[in-house]
Amino acid sequence: AQTVTQSQPEMSVQEAETVTLSCTYDTSESDYYLFWYKQPPSRQMILVIRQEAYKQQNATENRFSVNFQKAAKSFSLKISDSQLGDAAMYFCAYRHTTSGTYKYIFGTGTRLKVLA
Amino acid sequence: IAGITQAPTSQILAAGRRMTLRCTQDMRHNAMYWYRQDLGLGLRLIHYSNTAGTTGKGEVPDGYSVSRANTDDFPLTLASAVPSQTSVYFCASSTGVEDTQYFGPGTRLTVL
Repeated sequence: AQTVTQSQPEMSVQEAETVTLSCTYDTSESDYYLFWYKQPPSRQMILVIRQEAYKQQNATENRFSVNFQKAAKSFSLKISDSQLGDAAMYFCAYRHTTSGTYKYIFGTGTRLKVLA
Repeated sequence: IAGITQAPTSQILAAGRRMTLRCTQDMRHNAMYWYRQDLGLGLRLIHYSNTAGTTGKGEVPDGYSVSRANTDDFPLTLASAVPSQTSVYFCASSTGVEDTQYFGPGTRLTVL
């Protein structure tokens, strides 16, 4: 069965600095998607970035980028120029396909604190 | 309506009572999902539906049931609530083939 591991329960970063959140996953599939979601105190789940496994190029969305290492099954999120509004829980997620079912598996999350 | 709505926003429920959490989306997405979020455990899939008329069990389905009579609605029912079902519940949807899930605002349920 696929698993997603976020080994950092909590991280802190100084405002304007860069932080990297780690995520590893386990799968025997070759085609899948990976996501980072942000959950601020409002509780709303917000998509930050997605990566398709068949694409070698790392996804980028403004200040957010990923380091996707398929062979190592690693999918880290880098936040550049951290802002106070980046403080939130961040969840890594894996989407696989089993018999046409598009199930997602989430990690346990990393709480990011941004220090002024 | 824009996106996914959930009702109620929060609820306190006595153990043994029946409760239905409502979820409605207006994006015409085929697939819908119910998750529960517990501290330290992330989001765990309860039930899902690939398309109207079909449902399937997720990782933690016991004590919950769902139905999918049409594309827009995907209610989650707790037949006889127990304290271990105290959690935040999220409904989500996706087109299925296109991968991104969109989430509702969540329902905080407390079972006493």
